[in-house]
Amino acid sequence: GAVVSQHPSRVICKSGTSVKIECRSLDFQATTMFWYRQFPKQSLMLMATSNEGSKATYEQGVEKDKFLINHASLTLSTLTVTSAHPEDSSFYICSARVRADTEAFFGQGTRLTVV
Amino acid sequence: DAKTTQPPSMDCAEGRAANLPCNHSTISGNEYVYWYRQIHSQGPQYIIHGLKNNETNEMASLIITEDRKSSTLILPHATLRDTAVYYCIVRVRLLSGSARQLTFGSGTQLTVLP
Repeated sequence: GAVVSQHPSRVICKSGTSVKIECRSLDFQATTMFWYRQFPKQSLMLMATSNEGSKATYEQGVEKDKFLINHASLTLSTLTVTSAHPEDSSFYICSARVRADTEAFFGQGTRLTVV
Repeated sequence: DAKTTQPPSMDCAEGRAANLPCNHSTISGNEYVYWYRQIHSQGPQYIIHGLKNNETNEMASLIITEDRKSSTLILPHATLRDTAVYYCIVRVRLLSGSARQLTFGSGTQLTVLP
């Protein structure tokens, strides 16, 4: 199947700093990518929909100024957690589809720990 | 998208078949049943999907009841590496246009025991 790659897989940062997470579609182009967040022992929650060449669409309750999404090309979307706090510590996962009618493929996830 | 109900956890002996049920009694005629799994600390992995016919691939089989109100994912010979949270998701399969996100429920924690 198609491959979605996330980087880094694990990151530890200090409170107040910013962290950038990359999501790449390795063998296909994705006009739309999705960013999820998962807290321990909970399910995945959609944060935002990333659209190539336009602004991201954020889910209710997700601060767009804190979680900056950039989808500058058909193979790369980035999520930047700005001014990170310990409560932002979570597992962040991206996904993409080859086309609207195909199954979604997920990155391996990024474990963010803010200390 | 229709709501799904899954048992929170199940155990299965290694080498035996694992049968994971999912109820989706409010499913619409144009909604597909998708199964994904998430091994600990990894991103979800697509397993299989179907509309109304039973489906089989190299990973699993999907049995959908005739009224489509429930389905069962079957892992024919479970291994320890199949220990994961299994998500049953019902959603419309778009033929064109923009992709839509998946909505994840709580899933079933399958533990394969040696």
